[in-house]
Amino acid sequence: KQEVTQIPAALSVPEGENLVLNCSFTDSAIYNLQWFRQDPGKGLTSLLLIQSSQREQTSGRLNASLDKSSGRSTLYIAASQPGDSATYLCAVLTGSARQLTFGSGTQLTVLP
Amino acid sequence: EAGVTQSPTHLIKTRGQQATLRCSPISGHTSVYWYQQALGLGLQFLLWYDEGEERNRGNFPPRFSGRQFPNYSSELNVNALELEDSALYLCASSLGQGNTEAFFGQGTRLTVV
Repeated sequence: KQEVTQIPAALSVPEGENLVLNCSFTDSAIYNLQWFRQDPGKGLTSLLLIQSSQREQTSGRLNASLDKSSGRSTLYIAASQPGDSATYLCAVLTGSARQLTFGSGTQLTVLP
Repeated sequence: EAGVTQSPTHLIKTRGQQATLRCSPISGHTSVYWYQQALGLGLQFLLWYDEGEERNRGNFPPRFSGRQFPNYSSELNVNALELEDSALYLCASSLGQGNTEAFFGQGTRLTVV
């Protein structure tokens, strides 16, 4: 059974810092990995999708890497802003049932 | 292009009643997924529909059911509501059974009193 872990559970940083969020998964037989952002009480916004054959993806100030063999992904946020404050979730797509398994998220607070 | 839309935004029901939640996928998407996000429990997979068929269901009792219509929209039905069913219910859609990106709606907040 696939399990996804995110560390740290919460992170508070001053504005302008670069930061790294971590995601690990137990079954390396994944199809893809997605990073999402969730604001309180809202739905999920897709940030980046990395296919299993890819090593990284970039979008603006965000860069996500994938090391499938070690079961790890990182989300790098450059020059953080207060508007980046949210919960960040990673999810992996595995199995013939194409089920997304989510981590429990990292709650990020960027202080002005 | 419209994203995934869910209705209603909020729903309040009494224990024992039935709730119906609706989801319209992004145009062209044939797969619809339902997830439950209860407080402190994270996102739990409920159901996956593709091309009108139920393809997979998570570890939830049979009182959680749904269907997908010919236009690929979907509804989730929860019968005999229990207090523990109170949660944010999220719908997602994707292009199909391939390794494609999932897009989520804003959710329906179900409160059972």
